[in-house]
Amino acid sequence: KNEVEQSPQNLTAQEGEFITINCSYSVGISALHWLQQHPGGGIVSLFMLSSGKKKHGRLIATINIQEKHSSLHITASHPRDSAVYICAARSAFGNEKLTFGTGTRLTIIP
Amino acid sequence: NAGVTQTPKFQVLKTGQSMTLQCAQDMNHEYMSWYRQDPGMGLRLIHYSVGAGITDQGEVPNGYNVSRSTTEDFPLRLLSAAPSQTSVYFCASSYSGLYNQPQHFGDGTRLSIL
Repeated sequence: KNEVEQSPQNLTAQEGEFITINCSYSVGISALHWLQQHPGGGIVSLFMLSSGKKKHGRLIATINIQEKHSSLHITASHPRDSAVYICAARSAFGNEKLTFGTGTRLTIIP
Repeated sequence: NAGVTQTPKFQVLKTGQSMTLQCAQDMNHEYMSWYRQDPGMGLRLIHYSVGAGITDQGEVPNGYNVSRSTTEDFPLRLLSAAPSQTSVYFCASSYSGLYNQPQHFGDGTRLSIL
């Protein structure tokens, strides 16, 4: 069983819809990363959080440490948001290693 | 500021050939790592380095070799390519230390082994 689980695997929505992608993890973590992988393949770091909530533009990331759960929200979704969104957990045990989820493929239809 | 630069972007090899995937960063990051990405699986760590002269194995190190002679460069060597090594390879870097730091990824190398 993967230590980091994402849901849904695939998500298709209409432009303007509110999007939620979920990430659950079973390991003790020091931080949770959200990444975006563009259709061309490049990976960009969106957020890194260890508690609470972070916001950047239309993107919001939250984490609940007690429940070992994080969510990525996209408000007013746009076709350019179409990408694979990946969460990754950084171990709490002093090393730099990340454990990655398998990603959520988001498609926003105009 | 180029960030993390990977070369080549695409490569086709025959079984048994060797090659080196190059990775360079210009951000003075201590931590560098190599991942492979396969369909239906999350990125998996191959090797990583916490500084020049220091390397360690990740989750899937077999068939790969690395070295870190400078802070900037972290090449990944395939010793004798096998079809199971067909994958997309990503190099990443970040600052190390006590505080969590965001990862910076290269654009990836798509490798096919025939």
